[in-house]
Amino acid sequence: DTAVSQTPKYLVTQMGNDKSIKCEQNLGHDTMYWYKQDSKKFLKIMFSYNNKELIINETVPNRFSPKSPDKAHLNLHINSLELGDSAVYFCASSQDYRGQKLFFGSGTQLSVL
Amino acid sequence: GEDVEQSLFLSVREGDSSVINCTYTDSSSTYLYWYKQEPGAGLQLLTYIFSNMDMKQDQRLTVLLNKKDKHLSLRIADTQTGDSAIYFCAESLNTDKLIFGTGTRLQVFP
Repeated sequence: DTAVSQTPKYLVTQMGNDKSIKCEQNLGHDTMYWYKQDSKKFLKIMFSYNNKELIINETVPNRFSPKSPDKAHLNLHINSLELGDSAVYFCASSQDYRGQKLFFGSGTQLSVL
Repeated sequence: GEDVEQSLFLSVREGDSSVINCTYTDSSSTYLYWYKQEPGAGLQLLTYIFSNMDMKQDQRLTVLLNKKDKHLSLRIADTQTGDSAIYFCAESLNTDKLIFGTGTRLQVFP
């Protein structure tokens, strides 16, 4: 069983479209995250949720809207996609909000044309 | 500051030791971590060290921490081709997030 699973693995879309990435964890963790990894492999946190509550919201355009229907799921919706949004997006989870020992999904490679 | 720096590339021969270095700026870090990212995959936690320790050994992995110089290193003994990956160090502040380094791409050749 995959601990942290995200879909889709690849997403190719046109500028201006709206798309969603889904993430689920079966580890019973309280906290989930979205990270963005750019083409130089630099990894930066975007959001984190603890028990469905937003606790970290880094400087991310408001076109990005995370949603956590329950603590096992954290989805990422992106409106009006731009070329600069092209990256690999990783979902992760940890036991609690202190951010120790993250478990990562395998990533969603987003390409905006 | 939240800058965590690593050298970009390291190339070693199979069977040799690899040493990957990391410098961080925030002396209040409580834990420091090493993650491994294989191609097309997410990051996987390899090992971690608490900030009051100088060294931790875990099979082929040895982590050294020099708090005075804010320097962290990961030594991989008897490096194998399967160790080829990108290695990230990360620091955990007294907050709720990890700050990742810039990543070191390790290439192991026969």
